[in-house]
Amino acid sequence: ETGVTQSPTHLIKTRGQQVTLRCSSQSGHNTVSWYQQALGQGPQFIFQYYREEENGRGNFPPRFSGLQFPNYSSELNVNALELDDSALYLCASSSRQNLYEQYFGPGTRLTVT
Amino acid sequence: GIQVEQSPPDLILQEGANSTLRCNFSDSVNNLQWFHQNPWGQLINLFYIPSGTKQNGRLSATTVATERYSLLYISSSQTTDSGVYFCAVRVHSGNTPLVFGKGTRLSVIA
Repeated sequence: ETGVTQSPTHLIKTRGQQVTLRCSSQSGHNTVSWYQQALGQGPQFIFQYYREEENGRGNFPPRFSGLQFPNYSSELNVNALELDDSALYLCASSSRQNLYEQYFGPGTRLTVT
Repeated sequence: GIQVEQSPPDLILQEGANSTLRCNFSDSVNNLQWFHQNPWGQLINLFYIPSGTKQNGRLSATTVATERYSLLYISSSQTTDSGVYFCAVRVHSGNTPLVFGKGTRLSVIA
């Protein structure tokens, strides 16, 4: 158990819809990162949040957006879903004192039909 | 960007056997982590090891930063060791992201 929780665990959406995924970070961790893991691949960095602001972004289009709340929990929003968005979405938290060691949640498996 | 290559891509072991997984990276890194992803998708931290050697029970890891590789050793493998093992690195400092390899899929059979 890492202390990082995500919801929901599974989700099925239709192409063109919007989705919101949620993450609660480990106690004491104020930095949250989101990753997308396609089948058979390693996780790919989407973006990172620190103090409620985006603090780094990978090669993902603007329809991927996020929020971080004062309690350090976070949301990932994806608009205009495409079939290729089907993946496992992972949230990771880390502390500013030890930014280098990230702890991952169990993930949300999104299927877009 | 940095390239992370893991080998072998797939590995099948008899229970009790030992194995070595390798991670090569193309640039200097200041962070390297090994993860185990279980069949339910959970990524579990095994080691934070930017350099040197660490051991935790049946698992140990060595990173030779100057030669840009890391090794994960699994001894006396058990069926519960099955899953995908990922190496992830971070270049520079601060808010640069972890870059993952494609993983080694390990199957331990009884």
